This record gives sequence, C-alpha cells and structure tokens, in this order.
Amino acid sequence: AQRVTQPEKLLSVFKGAPVELKCNYSYSGSPELFWYVQYSRQRLQLLLRHISRESIKGFTADLNKGETSFHLKKPFAQEEDSAMYYCALDSNTGANSKLTFGKGITLSVRP
Amino acid sequence: NAGVMQNPRHLVRRRGQEARLRCSPMKGHSHVYWYRQLPEEGLKFMVYLQKENIIDESGMPKERFSAEFPKEGPSILRIQQVVRGDSAAYFCASSQIRRTSRTGELFFGEGSRLTVL
Repeated sequence: AQRVTQPEKLLSVFKGAPVELKCNYSYSGSPELFWYVQYSRQRLQLLLRHISRESIKGFTADLNKGETSFHLKKPFAQEEDSAMYYCALDSNTGANSKLTFGKGITLSVRP
Repeated sequence: NAGVMQNPRHLVRRRGQEARLRCSPMKGHSHVYWYRQLPEEGLKFMVYLQKENIIDESGMPKERFSAEFPKEGPSILRIQQVVRGDSAAYFCASSQIRRTSRTGELFFGEGSRLTVL
C-alpha cells in the first residue's frame, strides 16, 4: 500500500530562518512526488513536483530513494510562506493517476 | 477560466438525509477526482472519474456513497442517509493528462463542507 507520512503538524520559524518540511513515503514502484500548498483562504495548488527538478518561490525538494524521503526546503523563510503544505505521491503506473496525500503541515513564519 | 467550481460551499444535513455535492471541472479537463478531508486528517482519495465512467472507486465507502460524471453537467458526489461521521470537507480536483507527464497536475476546488447534525 502507498503511504505518505508527514511526521510534524506544525512548524513555526522566524522570518529568514531555514525551513525543512519532512515527507517520507512508502511505495513499491517508481514514485512520482509532489508538494501542494494551501495559503489562507485559497484553494490547494501545486507547488512543485520532483520530476521537474525546479525551484519554486525559493523552495526545493529532492527525492531520496534510499531514505524514501522528499523533504521540502527553503534557506530563508518569508512571512508569505505561511501556509499548509501537503506532500503527495502518484501511486498509479498507468495514465490514470491518483494522488495519495500526507496529513499536511502548517508552516508559520513569524516576523 | 474560473477554475474548478464546487457547490454548495457549505451544506448542513440532519442524520438520515441525503447530501449532494457538485463539481464542475476546469474547462477542457475530463478527469475528476473526489477527496475527503476529515478533521485533523489529510486528504483521502475517494473516486476518480472520466466522463460517464468511474475509473477508480477504491476509496469510496462501500455503502451510501456514489459518484457520477455525466456526459453533460457537473460531477456529483452523493451521500445517502448521512451520519455524523460523514461530516468533513469534500474536495474535487480536475486534471488534463498530458502525454509528456504520467501525472497531470491536479487543480482543486475550494471544497464543500458538510456538517451532519
């Protein structure tokens, strides 16, 4: 069975501090992983996907197959990064994909 | 493009009544997904539909829950004889599978919050 674990519910940091949001997964196949974000009063939206190897809003995430992790990192947090973050795994091998989400973590960046 | 539209945003039902939640996908999207979020929980996959077809309903409870995505009109998630445990936020998402990507990005609606009294 596929599983996504986000071990922390809340991370509170000061502006300018580094951020690491943890995500571990369990999947027997070749995973495709994502981070979704939900800002206050907005809908859930894609932040980044591992396959793109991109940096979005200063965030990066590296897939570590050995540790089965996909932690989200940002070197210097900004107040506007405060949001709910969900790690997700694509668990189908065909064209009919569905995402398995973790429980999410609230990031609070204080001034 | 108005994005994924869900209605109603809030729905209150008494135990035993029926709840119907509607989802209109983004224009051009033919794949619809329903997720449920219970308090203090993450998003749980319920069902994946394409027009007139249920592709994957592995996350749907065996009884009282059904979903459809007709040729015309929105996708409907129907909960019969609701119970207090059905109180949750129900999110719809749509996607357009691209050839270059196994996974189409999911675009979410704002959710429908069901409260069962």
